[in-house]
Amino acid sequence: AQSVTQPDARVTVSEGASLQLRCKYSYFGTPYLFWYVQYPRQGLQLLLKYYPGDPVVQGVNGFEAEFSKSNSSFHLRKASVHWSDWAVYFCAVSFNTNTGKLTFGDGTVLTVKP
Amino acid sequence: DMKVTQMPRYLIKRMGENVLLECGQDMSHETMYWYRQDPGLGLQLIYISYDVDSNSEGDIPKGYRVSRKKREHFSLILDSAKTNQTSVYFCASSYEIYAEQFFGPGTRLTVL
Repeated sequence: AQSVTQPDARVTVSEGASLQLRCKYSYFGTPYLFWYVQYPRQGLQLLLKYYPGDPVVQGVNGFEAEFSKSNSSFHLRKASVHWSDWAVYFCAVSFNTNTGKLTFGDGTVLTVKP
Repeated sequence: DMKVTQMPRYLIKRMGENVLLECGQDMSHETMYWYRQDPGLGLQLIYISYDVDSNSEGDIPKGYRVSRKKREHFSLILDSAKTNQTSVYFCASSYEIYAEQFFGPGTRLTVL
């Protein structure tokens, strides 16, 4: 069955440290992949997207993600976390680009320590 | 300024009452979506609209219906709301069905 898993419900990092948020999917093909961020009491905002091509994609605010077909993963990274990155991060996958449906992971809450 | 708007932002209703949630977008996007978000969970798709009067069920359509009479406007209707429909509802739009989605700020609905 097609699914998206974010294995870490919560991640805590110190400001200035590097960050990796994990996303795994289950699908036989190559999906379209997205990372969204949600700040408190707001809607989701797109960080970056992957359409088949270069496996490393750059996003806003210094975020990047790497697609791995062999590992069925799309992990999000940032070299140096800022306090303003404190938010909930969602991985989303489009398994069928003909329908427009996105399947979301349950999200990872990122806490930034001073 | 490209944006998705939602009205109202907060709503309290009693069980059995009808609920109307409104969504608008100013980007002329063909495709629009309604999701609900519950604590600790990602978003669950309720309905997709591919254009005016062209709607399709999502993953959890039971208890909801939608209306899209103008491209820029998409409504979610709950006929006789239930307490388990208490949630935060998000509307989104995209310029193509495989493209990124733009989200509204959400409507927090409480059904007592």
